[in-house]
Amino acid sequence: DTGVSQDPRHKITKRGQNVTFRCDPISEHNRLYWYRQTLGQGPEFLTYFQNEAQLEKSRLLSDRFSAERPKGSFSTLEIQRTEQGDSAMYLCASSRGGGRGDTQYFGPGTRLTVL
Amino acid sequence: QKEVEQDPGPLSVPEGAIVSLNCTYSNSAFQYFMWYRQYSRKGPELLMYTYSSGNKEDGRFTAQVDKSSKYISLFIRDSQPSDSATYLCAMSPILTGGGNKLTFGTGTQLKVEL
Repeated sequence: DTGVSQDPRHKITKRGQNVTFRCDPISEHNRLYWYRQTLGQGPEFLTYFQNEAQLEKSRLLSDRFSAERPKGSFSTLEIQRTEQGDSAMYLCASSRGGGRGDTQYFGPGTRLTVL
Repeated sequence: QKEVEQDPGPLSVPEGAIVSLNCTYSNSAFQYFMWYRQYSRKGPELLMYTYSSGNKEDGRFTAQVDKSSKYISLFIRDSQPSDSATYLCAMSPILTGGGNKLTFGTGTQLKVEL
């Protein structure tokens, strides 16, 4: 399977703990996006990378959130001092970039529950 | 007011029915339109994408875009129980040299009954 993969698929943590999620994009896709989806809502953009450069961050991404994409391959999203409001599905998407549009392919997501 | 509006449903139809799913948007900069299907507790799966006004067909699915009315639709012919899922519309501007963050609707939950 050469699709987008995410790890872990599920994470349960206590409030105040730090968590880190990983995303492996489709190989040769140079753009990588993170979205967050809460129950009954569509995904909301958090941030995106072009290769290893983080080029845009949403105002939804508070100081407790940090994302990296070393060497332009996989990406990590870390949440420090988790809060119950962070409970959501965290989705990663990748795209080839270029052209008129930017067709994004999503991974299965990491479901975070903060107790 | 949200940039993209989508009726959350739920929408229940009998097997074999034609399903019509719709979104409206307010941002004239949106030029790239997509439909994703999402099964419960899974990631969104791309169904169709289009840049242009008019219709685009792929098997049982037809995507329709009316930029003058800021209205997009997805039609599903001969609906099957396996089509039961949440359908998300998504759109973005077309930015040369930059990433295109997607703005999603809330999703419409569809159930196709036997």
